[in-house]
Amino acid sequence: AQSVAQPEDQVNVAEGNPLTVKCTYSVSGNPYLFWYVQYPNRGLQFLLKYITGDNLVKGSYGFEAEFNKSQTSFHLKKPSALVSDSALYFCAVRGGSNDYKLSFGAGTTVTVRA
Amino acid sequence: EAQVTQNPRYLITVTGKKLTVTCSQNMNHEYMSWYRQDPGLGLRQIYYSMNVEVTDKGDVPEGYKVSRKEKRNFPLILESPSPNQTSLYFCASSFQPGLNYEQYFGPGTRLTVT
Repeated sequence: AQSVAQPEDQVNVAEGNPLTVKCTYSVSGNPYLFWYVQYPNRGLQFLLKYITGDNLVKGSYGFEAEFNKSQTSFHLKKPSALVSDSALYFCAVRGGSNDYKLSFGAGTTVTVRA
Repeated sequence: EAQVTQNPRYLITVTGKKLTVTCSQNMNHEYMSWYRQDPGLGLRQIYYSMNVEVTDKGDVPEGYKVSRKEKRNFPLILESPSPNQTSLYFCASSFQPGLNYEQYFGPGTRLTVT
C-alpha cells in the first residue's frame, strides 16, 4: 500500500525567509509525486509534480521541490516566503502508471508572519 | 472557464435521510474522483472513475455510492448518512491517460449529519 507522511503539522517562518515543507512517501513502483495548496475556504490547487527526469521541479508561485529517491522524499521549497503563502499544503503520491489511486498526506499548515 | 462545480456547497441533514452531492466538470476529463477531508487525516479517496460506466473503490468507500452515466457528471450518493460522514467533500477530475496529469478540484461541500 502506498502512503505519504508530512512530519510537520505546522511550519512558521518570517516573510523573506526560506520555506521548506517536508514530505516522505512509500510506494511499490516508481512514484508520481504532487504538491497541492489549499487556501481558506477553497478547493485544492495544483502547485507542481514530479513524474520523471530532473530531480528538481519548479512550479507555480515560485515554489520548487526536490525528488530524492534514496531518501524517498519530495520536499517543497521556496527561497523567500510571502505572507500570501500562508495556507495548507498537501503532498500526494501515485504508485506508477498502473496505479489509479492518489494518496495524500495529512497536510502542513504554513504560516508566514510579516 | 475550466472548472469543477459541486452542489450544494453546504448541507445539514439528519441521520438516514438519503442525499446526493453533484459534481460536474467542463474539461472533457476522463478521470473523476471523490475525496473527504478530515482534520489531521488529509484527503482520503472515496471512489474514482476512469471513464463513463467505470468506477472503483478508493480507500474509504463504505457508506457511499457513485455513478458515472455521463462523462461530465460524477454524483456522490449517501443512501443512509450517519454522523461519522460529517466532513468536507471534494470532487476532482483530470485527463486519464497515464494519470500523470494534475487533478482539478471543486470548491468543496461541507456536510453535517446530525
